[in-house]
Amino acid sequence: AQTVTQSQPEMSVQEAETVTLSCTYDTSESDYYLFWYKQPPSRQMILVIRQEAYKQQNATENRFSVNFQKAAKSFSLKISDSQLGDAAMYFCAYRRSGRSGGSNYKLTFGKGTLLTVNP
Amino acid sequence: EAQVTQNPRYLITVTGKKLTVTCSQNMNHEYMSWYRQDPGLGLRQIYYSMNVEVTDKGDVPEGYKVSRKEKRNFPLILESPSPNQTSLYFCASTRDSPSKRYNEQFFGPGTRLTVL
Repeated sequence: AQTVTQSQPEMSVQEAETVTLSCTYDTSESDYYLFWYKQPPSRQMILVIRQEAYKQQNATENRFSVNFQKAAKSFSLKISDSQLGDAAMYFCAYRRSGRSGGSNYKLTFGKGTLLTVNP
Repeated sequence: EAQVTQNPRYLITVTGKKLTVTCSQNMNHEYMSWYRQDPGLGLRQIYYSMNVEVTDKGDVPEGYKVSRKEKRNFPLILESPSPNQTSLYFCASTRDSPSKRYNEQFFGPGTRLTVL
């Protein structure tokens, strides 16, 4: 079974600084997706960024970028120029590719990292 | 507006009193799923459905039932709730694709359930 580990229960960053959230995962599959979700106090699950395992290039979305190390099974999220609105719980998640077979689009989540942004 | 809706958003109930949390999506998605979120555990899948009348267990199905009689609706049923089912529940949906290419999974706003 796949597992996702977030080793940092809490992190803090100064406004305008850069912070990196860590995530490692375990899988025997070669084709899969990795995600970072943001959950603000409203509790809504917001997709921040997605990485497809067969793509070597790291995904970026504005101030958010990932460092995807497939061999090491590592998937960290870097937030640049941190803003007060970035304060939230961040979840790393894994999903097998549909091309791998099976019909369940289940997301396997880590336990989350609570990010505080200090003004 | 494309969305997944859940009702109720908040519910406080007592042990053993049957309840249903509704989930509805307006995107004609084939796949729907329920997760529960607990502190320190992240989100875990309860049940999922690939289409009408097709449902299967996720990782933590004990104490829950689901049904999928219509494509847009996927209710979560707790026939005899217990305090360990106090949690935050999310419904999610996505399109199934014959080519199995990626489709984004959309989440509902969550239902906070407390069982006394």
